[in-house]
Amino acid sequence: EAQVTQNPRYLITVTGKKLTVTCSQNMNHEYMSWYRQDPGLGLRQIYYSMNVEVTDKGDVPEGYKVSRKEKRNFPLILESPSPNQTSLYFCASSSGPGAGELFFGEGSRLTVL
Amino acid sequence: QQQVKQSPQSLIVQKGGISIINCAYENTAFDYFPWYQQFPGKGPALLIAIRPDVSEKKEGRFTISFNKSAKQFSLHIMDSQPGDSATYFCAAITQGGSEKLVFGKGTKLTVNP
Repeated sequence: EAQVTQNPRYLITVTGKKLTVTCSQNMNHEYMSWYRQDPGLGLRQIYYSMNVEVTDKGDVPEGYKVSRKEKRNFPLILESPSPNQTSLYFCASSSGPGAGELFFGEGSRLTVL
Repeated sequence: QQQVKQSPQSLIVQKGGISIINCAYENTAFDYFPWYQQFPGKGPALLIAIRPDVSEKKEGRFTISFNKSAKQFSLHIMDSQPGDSATYFCAAITQGGSEKLVFGKGTKLTVNP
């Protein structure tokens, strides 16, 4: 089954404690992306990757890091989380940035106290 | 700069009624307009999409109407059901290009029994 898998699905942490949200896709997609979803603000892109070792900033990259060492994996790293990073995070993948269909994971709800 | 404007932000409809969500875009290079449906606790998933060479596309109870001259498109849900309660995102993209999918801010639809 084609899918994008994120972990953890739910996480409560404290300010400053580094955390990583993992993302893996099994569709051999070159393009992967992270979004955060906040009420009234919709889906905002954090970072994206066009292929292995190629990453770039999206619209709201501050406070986040990513890496793409393997095609299937695209982890999101919060080096020093702050309360304003409390949000619902989605990983997505597609065959390319210009593809019309993005495949989303089920989301990771993060609370930073 | 928001390139796709979506309205309303929330919508309450009675069972059996018609739900209408509107979107407007600015970039005339966009050539593919998908709608995504997101159920609570899930990631967005492609629902239906249209290209600007047609004015309407229908799939079951879901219809996209497209007005190229006005740069507007809308989603109509006929005979709305409680199971349609979800958040709906319109989006736009230039397929095959290097730019990403641009999302509207979403509409939370509630269909009352």
